[in-house]
Amino acid sequence: QSVLTQPPSVSAAPGQKVTISCSGSSSNIGNNYVSWYQQLPGTAPKLLIYDNNNRPSGIPDRFSGSKSGTSATLGITGLQTGDEANYYCGTWDSSLSAGVFGGGTKLTVL
Amino acid sequence: EVQLLESGGGLVQPGGSLRLSCVASGFIFSNYALIWVRQAPGKGLEWVSGITSGGAWIYYADSVKGRFTISRDDSKHTLYLQMNSLRVEDTAVYYCAKGGNGYNFYYFDYWGLGTLVPVSS
Repeated sequence: QSVLTQPPSVSAAPGQKVTISCSGSSSNIGNNYVSWYQQLPGTAPKLLIYDNNNRPSGIPDRFSGSKSGTSATLGITGLQTGDEANYYCGTWDSSLSAGVFGGGTKLTVL
Repeated sequence: EVQLLESGGGLVQPGGSLRLSCVASGFIFSNYALIWVRQAPGKGLEWVSGITSGGAWIYYADSVKGRFTISRDDSKHTLYLQMNSLRVEDTAVYYCAKGGNGYNFYYFDYWGLGTLVPVSS
């Protein structure tokens, strides 16, 4: 059972938009920055979003992040088949004094 | 180019020990926090342990506290994870990752390819 809650799966058609939610509490998302990672099959995770809504260089602006209260959201527009992957949210948990990740969301582009 | 390369994985029996290494290049190693993250077969990411720059602060997940020890050798640009009293449930691919700065663990901008640690008799 992960500290951060994500939907197990989401799906949408190519070209459409999808959002992935990440729900936590005041000890993690509520008072710390959130990051998002993409993990393609058989590869290491890749940073997509940091500090709630910032994109590292090289990440297209189709990917966006937001945070409100104890929840965060990853948005992906203009879906491509290459976006099929598992997506994870992550942050620091001040009560646990440890980092935490969501359980992951598998994105299917139909 | 930033690179992280893990090594030291391999089959180990329950109760055994293993030391993982992560050699880094392409950035000022001593300036950054580093972490270990693991992923059991078919499962999600699990934060294992983190160490700030200079080793000032060290943190562990409850699942490994008292059994695993993280350390760093800045002169060798290497991060370590000493794993003792290994359990079957520690079976996973272990990744090392670089933090975005030296003092917190909000995000990790570069990851290694991972090293597999199967724990089985």
